[in-house]
Amino acid sequence: GEDVEQSLFLSVREGDSSVINCTYTDSSSTYLYWYKQEPGAGLQLLTYIFSNMDMKQDQRLTVLLNKKDKHLSLRIADTQTGDSAIYFCAAPRGSSNTGKLIFGQGTTLQVKP
Amino acid sequence: GAVVSQHPSWVICKSGTSVKIECRSLDFQATTMFWYRQFPKQSLMLMATSNEGSKATYEQGVEKDKFLINHASLTLSTLTVTSAHPEDSSFYICSANPGQAFSTDTQYFGPGTRLTVL
Repeated sequence: GEDVEQSLFLSVREGDSSVINCTYTDSSSTYLYWYKQEPGAGLQLLTYIFSNMDMKQDQRLTVLLNKKDKHLSLRIADTQTGDSAIYFCAAPRGSSNTGKLIFGQGTTLQVKP
Repeated sequence: GAVVSQHPSWVICKSGTSVKIECRSLDFQATTMFWYRQFPKQSLMLMATSNEGSKATYEQGVEKDKFLINHASLTLSTLTVTSAHPEDSSFYICSANPGQAFSTDTQYFGPGTRLTVL
């Protein structure tokens, strides 16, 4: 079945770049998404990339997609303490018409001052 | 745009009582909403897909009589946890999909409801 995998924890110093990695199994995914969850809150859509793109940049965020390896990454430049959160990678589950998403386990990003 | 609200944000109830959680899409219509459950330090577990005007579709292992879902309008879905027990204590999150109205064609999430059953 479909699966999305992420590393569980990343610790960086303030001002450094953070790179969060994700692998997925369903090659038919049209969009791939990154969500951010702060403690006690819901998920906030951070960014997304269409499957025919290799890279997307949005201010401090850069998404890289390697379709051959089914690998997605999120790079946060100049990481700030406010970036500390859990980051989820998500892909459409099954047929994209269902609207269902499958989520990775989430990567906890810890930013040290 | 794409704001989803949930009410209440937290609730404490006694074992055996029922609790209703509301999920509203504030600035768009959603024919499909989703209900998730999240345990501490874990990912989201999809409970059911809520379709406006029809019965919800439950994921395997989710008791439909325990978790009643109603999607009465294009902007409101409700989840009722019936005869709640301590093991139902969790963080419940809803999401709504605006379909093709937004370019991302993805889900927008509510802030979540923390349910504690004593």
